[in-house]
Amino acid sequence: KQEVTQIPAALSVPEGENLVLNCSFTDSAIYNLQWFRQDPGKGLTSLLLIQSSQREQTSGRLNASLDKSSGRSTLYIAASQPGDSATYLCAVNYGQNFVFGPGTRLSVLP
Amino acid sequence: EADIYQTPRYLVIGTGKKITLECSQTMGHDKMYWYQQDPGMELHLIHYSYGVNSTEKGDLSSESTVSRIRTEHFPLTLESARPSHTSQYLCASVAGLTDTQYFGPGTRLTVL
Repeated sequence: KQEVTQIPAALSVPEGENLVLNCSFTDSAIYNLQWFRQDPGKGLTSLLLIQSSQREQTSGRLNASLDKSSGRSTLYIAASQPGDSATYLCAVNYGQNFVFGPGTRLSVLP
Repeated sequence: EADIYQTPRYLVIGTGKKITLECSQTMGHDKMYWYQQDPGMELHLIHYSYGVNSTEKGDLSSESTVSRIRTEHFPLTLESARPSHTSQYLCASVAGLTDTQYFGPGTRLTVL
């Protein structure tokens, strides 16, 4: 069964810290992996997409890595800000379907 | 920036009513999806479509139907709403070249 897990479930950090969010998937036959941000009661906003052939992608203060053989992806957020507070989800694309993780709820304290 | 729209944004209705949630996108994407998400919980796939006249059921599809008559439009219908349908409904479309998912703002449904 294709499963996606995310650790930690929740994280609270002071402003300015660098942090890492983890995403693990059981089936490594992926097309790509996408990281999203979701604010309470809202839709999902795409942050980064990594194709299966890529090792990492960067956008501003965000860097996502992919290790397909070990079934893991990390999202690195540099110099966190209170505006980064949200739930972060990873979604694995298996071609016929997308499997979402449960998310990491991040709080960045001023 | 993705152009994907959902209406209504919020809906409160009584049990037994028939409702249709609208989703439209102006990007010409062939693949579209409906997800259901309870607060703080995972997304669950309800239905998906790979193009006009193509619809498939997901994990939670048994109490709803969809249609895909036009590329840009993918409405979801609940024939008889129940309190268990209270949830947020998210629509997404996928860009063909990159397989990037784009989400609409969601419809928050409350069934009394």
